[in-house]
Amino acid sequence: DARVTQTPRHKVTEMGQEVTMRCQPILGHNTVFWYRQTMMQGLELLAYFRNRAPLDDSGMPKDRFSAEMPDATLATLKIQPSEPRDSAVYFCASGLGQPNEKLFFGSGTQLSVL
Amino acid sequence: GDSVTQMEGPVTLSEEAFLTINCTYTATGYPSLFWYVQYPGEGLQLLLKATKADDKGSNKGFEATYRKETTSFHLEKGSVQVSDSAVYFCALMEYGNKLVFGAGTILRVKS
Repeated sequence: DARVTQTPRHKVTEMGQEVTMRCQPILGHNTVFWYRQTMMQGLELLAYFRNRAPLDDSGMPKDRFSAEMPDATLATLKIQPSEPRDSAVYFCASGLGQPNEKLFFGSGTQLSVL
Repeated sequence: GDSVTQMEGPVTLSEEAFLTINCTYTATGYPSLFWYVQYPGEGLQLLLKATKADDKGSNKGFEATYRKETTSFHLEKGSVQVSDSAVYFCALMEYGNKLVFGAGTILRVKS
């Protein structure tokens, strides 16, 4: 089965360190989304790409977060410097960009910033 | 902006009980509506969807009907199983294929 792959699955780091999360979308998919899940805020959309171009990153704190797609098979989400409030599960999802379509989610990266 | 409101959980049911999880939405246009399910330690999976008013989405015994007049998309199942224990998310998609999620409802089914 085709699936979205996220690495690492778990990351524990200290405040102030750089964190990089990676996502491999399903081959052929042209939309990629980054979501953050916390108990308090639920699922928040951080950034959205179509054909590797960022379309919406209004949900992302710009001072410390950055999202890129170096190529069609890789999306990255970086936090620099990390803070304890960034502790959450970060999900990547991909799709074909068709109207009303379903998204395929990865298993997430569980980030703990101490 | 667009938003989704779900009933708070956790919802705890005995096996074979009837399930309803309420979901209402606010949107400027005519969104598509979805239910996603998240099992422990996993990402979200699409459970069902409906793209226009009066459509009924169904899958694995779950159903939800797109009610434009009440802006609702309640999830139902006639007889739940222990394996249905998970977190259920109602979501809408309007412009740009962005999914806007509700807060999620934890379902616990006891044997």
